[in-house]
Amino acid sequence: DTEVTQTPKHLVMGMTNKKSLKCEQHMGHRAMYWYKQKAKKPPELMFVYSYEKLSINESVPSRFSPECPNSSLLNLHLHALQPEDSALYLCASSQDFEQETQYFGPGTRLLVL
Amino acid sequence: GESVGLHLPTLSVQEGDNSIINCAYSNSASDYFIWYKQESGKGPQFIIDIRSNMDKRQGQRVTVLLNKTVKHLSLQIAATQPGDSAVYFCAECRSNAGGTSYGKLTFGQGTILTVHP
Repeated sequence: DTEVTQTPKHLVMGMTNKKSLKCEQHMGHRAMYWYKQKAKKPPELMFVYSYEKLSINESVPSRFSPECPNSSLLNLHLHALQPEDSALYLCASSQDFEQETQYFGPGTRLLVL
Repeated sequence: GESVGLHLPTLSVQEGDNSIINCAYSNSASDYFIWYKQESGKGPQFIIDIRSNMDKRQGQRVTVLLNKTVKHLSLQIAATQPGDSAVYFCAECRSNAGGTSYGKLTFGQGTILTVHP
């Protein structure tokens, strides 16, 4: 089983809203990732969690706040987003942090109005 | 600067033909490479990977070739089918200056593969 699930599939929010994206995996993976993907572009790394601790923050604005409640779950809290933040947000996981295949979820399509 | 890129942004083939998608990388310290397939509205799907101590690796209908001399990676798809139509990304696992892998993936720009029936 190499399934990573993400909810919701689609999200529309205003610039003053607070919302959260959720990601879950039950593969026993200890590294989890958030990526942002704009249309016709490759995924761009945002955050990496390794063993439930934030390992990498790719200079992401503070209006994006990640959280890893346990080894299976990864959240991305959104607050005061801008229209340019509209994108596909992808979650991925891997067995470990170093040179391991990352498996991606289907993504959440976010539209900020 | 360091980068992972693709030679061709689009590739159109007839069903049954073999497809070859190319990727160039510039960081000689990279030692792990992955090919992903992304269909419209979906997340990237792992196809095949290769480590730098290998030149070739085969999967089901797919082969990845790594030429470290010229820093080139290719994905060959045999007997291409309409279901293979997607965007294909190569991704590079980049080492830091000390040679220890972060596990950070850097993606190429992607190639759109279109298979005509």
